[in-house]
Amino acid sequence: DVKVTQSSRYLVKRTGEKVFLECVQDMDHENMFWYRQDPGLGLRLIYFSYDVKMKEKGDIPEGYSVSREKKERFSLILESASTNQTSMYLCASRAPGQGAYEQYFGPGTRLTVT
Amino acid sequence: SQQGEEDPQALSIQEGENATMNCSYKTSINNLQWYRQNSGRGLVHLILIRSNEREKHSGRLRVTLDTSKKSSSLLITASRAADTASYFCATVYDNTNAGKSTFGDGTTLTVKP
Repeated sequence: DVKVTQSSRYLVKRTGEKVFLECVQDMDHENMFWYRQDPGLGLRLIYFSYDVKMKEKGDIPEGYSVSREKKERFSLILESASTNQTSMYLCASRAPGQGAYEQYFGPGTRLTVT
Repeated sequence: SQQGEEDPQALSIQEGENATMNCSYKTSINNLQWYRQNSGRGLVHLILIRSNEREKHSGRLRVTLDTSKKSSSLLITASRAADTASYFCATVYDNTNAGKSTFGDGTTLTVKP
């Protein structure tokens, strides 16, 4: 059974703090994604990675960075959290290759920045 | 934006009725997928339809794709209370290994027992 886990379900941080959101998948997938989900805006892609140490910006990378040191782990970093980064953060992974488009999602981390 | 748009934003029906949700998108796609999200949880993949397919079935789900109108619909037949969730369409525009998906805003379905 495939599994994507995220380090926290709920997180409350203060403005200016450095925040780490961790995502781990056990499917040996090469592609991993970070999204944020906001009411009325759907899911927006922040960053994705198609291999260890490889990353590409998504649609809204500003204020975020990522780290992929191991294949199974993809971390999202908020260098200096701001209130407009309060959101639901979803991690997903996907097998590589054309035709394998199904993404497997983690349960999400609801981050509140005060 | 290449974002898909679902319609309606919210749908409320009685158990046993059929639920239809629509998705429109803006540019040519490789494939289109539908996902379900239960409240406060991650998304779960339901079904994928490729650009050269017109209709696909999976259990109580029926998906159609009209590439000339750049639209897709998801039909859930004989709905159950457990179908209460948000439903998202996701379009894949590129054919690369990255295969990024662009998600719409979702339709919130409520099935009343």
